Amino acid sequence: AQKITQTQPGMFVQEKEAVTLDCTYDTSDPSYGLFWYKQPSSGEMIFLIYQGSYDQQNATEGRYSLNFQKARKSANLVISASQLGDSAMYFCAMRELPGTSYGKLTFGQGTILTVHP
Amino acid sequence: GAVVSQHPSWVICKSGTSVKIECRSLDFQATTMFWYRQFPKQSLMLMATSNEGSKATYEQGVEKDKFLINHASLTLSTLTVTSAHPEDSSFYICSARRDSSFLHFGNGTRLTVT
Repeated sequence: AQKITQTQPGMFVQEKEAVTLDCTYDTSDPSYGLFWYKQPSSGEMIFLIYQGSYDQQNATEGRYSLNFQKARKSANLVISASQLGDSAMYFCAMRELPGTSYGKLTFGQGTILTVHP
Repeated sequence: GAVVSQHPSWVICKSGTSVKIECRSLDFQATTMFWYRQFPKQSLMLMATSNEGSKATYEQGVEKDKFLINHASLTLSTLTVTSAHPEDSSFYICSARRDSSFLHFGNGTRLTVT
């Protein structure tokens, strides 16, 4: 069974500083995908970044980068130059192997990020 | 880009009534849709996987007779909460899969049962 763990219930960061949100995972599958989503108070799920298990490079999308350490089974999200609009709940998630359940995501507990001016 | 529309965005109903939530893929055909439930400040918990033209697959602990899922077309899946009770009050969110591409989420439905 797959498991995603986010150990930081809440994080605080000063505007314009960088912040790292932790995520560790556990799976016996050699092929998997890792995602980070942002959920503002409105509830929508905003896709931020994706890392495939076979990707050699760490994924980056603008101010977001994923620090993928496969041997340690960690996939931390780094947000550079934090903005007030980054305040939200952040979820790490893992995708099932291709098959009838392809696309099924297992989510971590989430981290509430608060950016201070 | 792909858009998934979820309706209604919020609903208040009386205890004992049923509520239907729609999840519609607007510009692609979704062979598979997923329904999640989320309590305040908690994680998204998968309720069921909905495959077009076949019965939904429910996760362990989810009452299939209470949460009826219908995926009658490639663009529409519905979740009906039957005989709703206050403990069913939650945020329900769907996601749709287009072939082998990424998932696309709806904006969610906040259900309040009084």
